[in-house]
Amino acid sequence: KQEVTQIPAALSVPEGENLVLNCSFTDSAIYNLQWFRQDPGKGLTSLLLIQSSQREQTSGRLNASLDKSSGRSTLYIAASQPGDSATYLCAVFGTSGSRLTFGEGTQLTVNP
Amino acid sequence: EPEVTQTPSHQVTQMGQEVILRCVPISNHLYFYWYRQILGQKVEFLVSFYNNEISEKSEIFDDQFSVERPDGSNFTLKIRSTKLEDSAMYFCASSRVGPETQYFGPGTRLLVL
Repeated sequence: KQEVTQIPAALSVPEGENLVLNCSFTDSAIYNLQWFRQDPGKGLTSLLLIQSSQREQTSGRLNASLDKSSGRSTLYIAASQPGDSATYLCAVFGTSGSRLTFGEGTQLTVNP
Repeated sequence: EPEVTQTPSHQVTQMGQEVILRCVPISNHLYFYWYRQILGQKVEFLVSFYNNEISEKSEIFDDQFSVERPDGSNFTLKIRSTKLEDSAMYFCASSRVGPETQYFGPGTRLLVL
């Protein structure tokens, strides 16, 4: 059974700092990994999707990497802003089903 | 930009009552999903739906739950007899094909009293 873990659970940084969020998964048989942002009481906004054959994906100030063999992904946020404050979730889509399996999320606070 | 919509945004119901949560997926998407998030917990998969039938369901999706695509645009989740532990945020999602980006709706917050 796929398990997804995110470290740290919470992170507080000053504005302008570069930061890294971590995600690990137990079963490397995945089609893709997706990073989401969730604002309090709101839905999930898709940030990036990395296919299992890819190592990296970039969108603006966000860069996600994937190391399928070690079961890890990182989300790098450059030059953080207060508007980046949210919970960041990673989720994997396995090859043996048709579901996303989510981690618990990292709650990010960027202080002005 | 196309988006997934869900109605209602909030629903309060009494234990034992039936509820229907509604979703309109993105129009050219073929795969539809329901997930739920109990307050303070992980987002959990409930069911996936393709070609008018269930592709996969989780252990949470028991006989009290059902899904339907009643027409070309709506996708519904029915809970037959709600329990207190069904209180959660329910998210609908859709994707163009299976292992592709899933787009989530804003959610329906269900409170069972």
